[in-house]
This record gives sequence, structure tokens and C-alpha cells, in this order.
Amino acid sequence: DADVTQTPRNRITKTGKRIMLECSQTKGHDRMYWYRQDPGLGLQLIYYSFDVKDINKGEISDGYSVSRQAQAKFSLSLESAIPNQTALYFCATSDSHRETQYFGPGTRLLVL
Amino acid sequence: GIQVEQSPPDLILQEGANSTLRCNFSDSVNNLQWFHQNPWGQLINLFYIPSGTKQNGRLSATTVATERYSLLYISSSQTTDSGVYFCAVATGHAGNNRKLIWGLGTSLAVNP
Repeated sequence: DADVTQTPRNRITKTGKRIMLECSQTKGHDRMYWYRQDPGLGLQLIYYSFDVKDINKGEISDGYSVSRQAQAKFSLSLESAIPNQTALYFCATSDSHRETQYFGPGTRLLVL
Repeated sequence: GIQVEQSPPDLILQEGANSTLRCNFSDSVNNLQWFHQNPWGQLINLFYIPSGTKQNGRLSATTVATERYSLLYISSSQTTDSGVYFCAVATGHAGNNRKLIWGLGTSLAVNP
């Protein structure tokens, strides 16, 4: 089984809808991240969490919110989706010692 | 903030050829990672290499921190090496909400 899972893998939604992307990990890592990737570009950090009670904004947090429900779960919400949020979204984890990041398979989101 | 530049942006190889990918960064770092994103979008961590040299099979990486660059070597390339290679760096202390800054990647196509 995959160590970092994301659901859903693909999602089509309409402008103005609220959606949630979920991430779970079995690696036992304390740190979790949400990234966005636009075509032909690198990754941009949306939010990150270094433990259950720690939530931090990344480079592009506007229009997004997150919840760290448990050490193993970190969800990303788009409160009112807009077309320019169409992108590939990745969840990642790391531990505080090695800092190597491990990625989930990604969620392809299309906002119409 | 710190800038990360990768070169070349695109590279086409024949199977069996060797290649060198470069990552330059504008400030001293204490975290540098190389990732491979395959054509299906999956991101895999290749190396955690803030300094020194590491090897893993046909891949090796060298970071010269004092000169602010890192190199990724691919020897005897295979079609499965195709995809985008990203360099990501971070600076600051491990406990101080350190986060990765990503380059735009090198897109590699290996032809049979």
C-alpha cells in the first residue's frame, strides 16, 4: 500500500463550489504539506503543518484553507472554487530529522 | 528570497547517453533535494544532498555548497528516465518552519 494517499485522484467541479482534498499517510511523519503545480511550472507551497497544532501559510494560501485532523491526516479545502485554481495538487510528508519529502500521487482538479 | 535556477530547461537524449543537470541557488542552503516527476505526474525523491556526493545506481548527485550549485548525473540513460527533474532547496534552521523553494525543472526525454 502507498505510504501517502490522496483522494480524490481526479475532480471536476464548477465555479463557486466548495471542495475538499484529503491526504493520509502511514509513514509516521510529523510534517505535512500541500503543494500546487501548474502546467510547465514547479511546485508552489499552499500550506504546511509541522505537527497537529501547527498550521502555516505558504506562498499561495489565498482561497485555500486546511485542517490537520490527526498526525496522519491533512485536508485542503477550496471554499469557493474558481477556474484559475485548476491545477495538480500534491500532498507531501517529511519528518523533522531527515527532512526528505515524500509525495502522494496527486489530485488533478478542473474548475469549470 | 532565495532563487533556484535549473539548466538546461529541456534535454533530449538517445538511450544509453549520459547527461548532467545543474541547479544553481542564490544563497547558502542546508537542505537540497532532487526529485523526478514521471510522465504520469508521480514525484519521487531521488536525493537529499545539502553537500557532498551520493550515488544510487545510475544516478549520482554532487552539491558544492560553497559555490552554490548542485549537479545531477544520469548515466546510461533509459526511456524510464524521461520526465522532469526538480531541484528544491531550503535555508535556515530545521526547527524554524523551514520550507523548500523549488526550481522550474529540467524536462528530459530519452528516445529509444
